[in-house]
Amino acid sequence: EADIYQTPRYLVIGTGKKITLECSQTMGHDKMYWYQQDPGMELHLIHYSYGVNSTEKGDLSSESTVSRIRTEHFPLTLESARPSHTSQYLCASREQGSGTGELFFGEGSRLTVL
Amino acid sequence: GEDVEQSLFLSVREGDSSVINCTYTDSSSTYLYWYKQEPGAGLQLLTYIFSNMDMKQDQRLTVLLNKKDKHLSLRIADTQTGDSAIYFCAEPAGDMRFGAGTRLTVKP
Repeated sequence: EADIYQTPRYLVIGTGKKITLECSQTMGHDKMYWYQQDPGMELHLIHYSYGVNSTEKGDLSSESTVSRIRTEHFPLTLESARPSHTSQYLCASREQGSGTGELFFGEGSRLTVL
Repeated sequence: GEDVEQSLFLSVREGDSSVINCTYTDSSSTYLYWYKQEPGAGLQLLTYIFSNMDMKQDQRLTVLLNKKDKHLSLRIADTQTGDSAIYFCAEPAGDMRFGAGTRLTVKP
């Protein structure tokens, strides 16, 4: 079982609110990722990090921001949520270099902005 | 093209075999993956195949790899209602490139 956790699992908030989605992993992985998942299922990479103090934007432009102050923690923040931010957000991590390179996913955070 | 492609929907009857197909893009991929996503959950690695293999079997799952055509398939034998989920094909291009997902529905 993957040791990667996301909170909250579900969040319903009003437009203009600031929110932070938490992601933590206890596997010591250097690489961490945030994906946004459409209702139609497709995954879009929005942010990634290769280690502490490293953050990059992914393929899909997002108004969210991320930080990586500690290896195990990769929170995602929306300063002012809008209905267009309604989506499922998935956090993932993987080892650097060795092994099969598989991604380990959290259970997801489903955000609804009214 | 640059997209990992897979069909979006598959519906089978319980007990039948399911075959989900995928075309990937990067011929240098060392591993190719199948992930499963159950409703309301994140993705979980279902199985993977090393690029020097043509076939991998794991209980009810069979993965076939055709490197020449960059084609990957997942066969689920004796499909059960618990196999209803979204299945993603993925290759390690960039960090990980996913297909759009195939929604498998198993009817009793």
